[in-house]
Amino acid sequence: AQSVTQPDIHITVSEGASLELRCNYSYGATPYLFWYVQSPGQGLQLLLKYFSGDTLVQGIKGFEAEFKRSQSSFNLRKPSVHWSDAAEYFCAVGALNTGKLIFGQGTTLQVKP
Amino acid sequence: SAVISQKPSRDICQRGTSLTIQCQVDSQVTMMFWYRQQPGQSLTLIATANQGSEATYESGFVIDKFPISRPNLTFSTLTVSNMSPEDSSIYLCSVDWGRGTDTQYFGPGTRLTVL
Repeated sequence: AQSVTQPDIHITVSEGASLELRCNYSYGATPYLFWYVQSPGQGLQLLLKYFSGDTLVQGIKGFEAEFKRSQSSFNLRKPSVHWSDAAEYFCAVGALNTGKLIFGQGTTLQVKP
Repeated sequence: SAVISQKPSRDICQRGTSLTIQCQVDSQVTMMFWYRQQPGQSLTLIATANQGSEATYESGFVIDKFPISRPNLTFSTLTVSNMSPEDSSIYLCSVDWGRGTDTQYFGPGTRLTVL
């Protein structure tokens, strides 16, 4: 069965520091992988997605993610975090042509001034 | 990407009543989805709503509790029936933008509190 694991429930980083949020997935075929961000009281915003091709994916707001098939991972990174990045981050895996998304439990990012 | 709106944005309801949530998209889309996000939790898919057919419900969700309508390619409703405090959640609709991307875009959500 498909599943997504985000090992870190809560992460705190200082403003200007680098960030890496971990995501591991379980899926029988090549997955579609997504990262979404949810700011307090808001819906989900798509940060980036991986379907195929280049394993390093660039997204909005300076985020990037790297797909590593051997590790079943799709970690999200940002070189320098801004206070406005404080939010909940969700990794998701999608099944081809079904439209369904399976979400991880989410990682809450806190940014210290 | 699609622009998605939901009504109401939030509501406080009494136990035993029902609430209908509306989801409007600015473009025609084939697939729409309804998710539930319980407090402090991740998103769980309730059902897939395709225009012209019955909604497809995920395990643990039933039509009597969460009836869904999809009258056209830009609109859907989710009703939460006979509510209890356990139904207090954020309910989000999303659309599959299709066009070969299999990418979902989400509405802002409806925050429901049941007393």
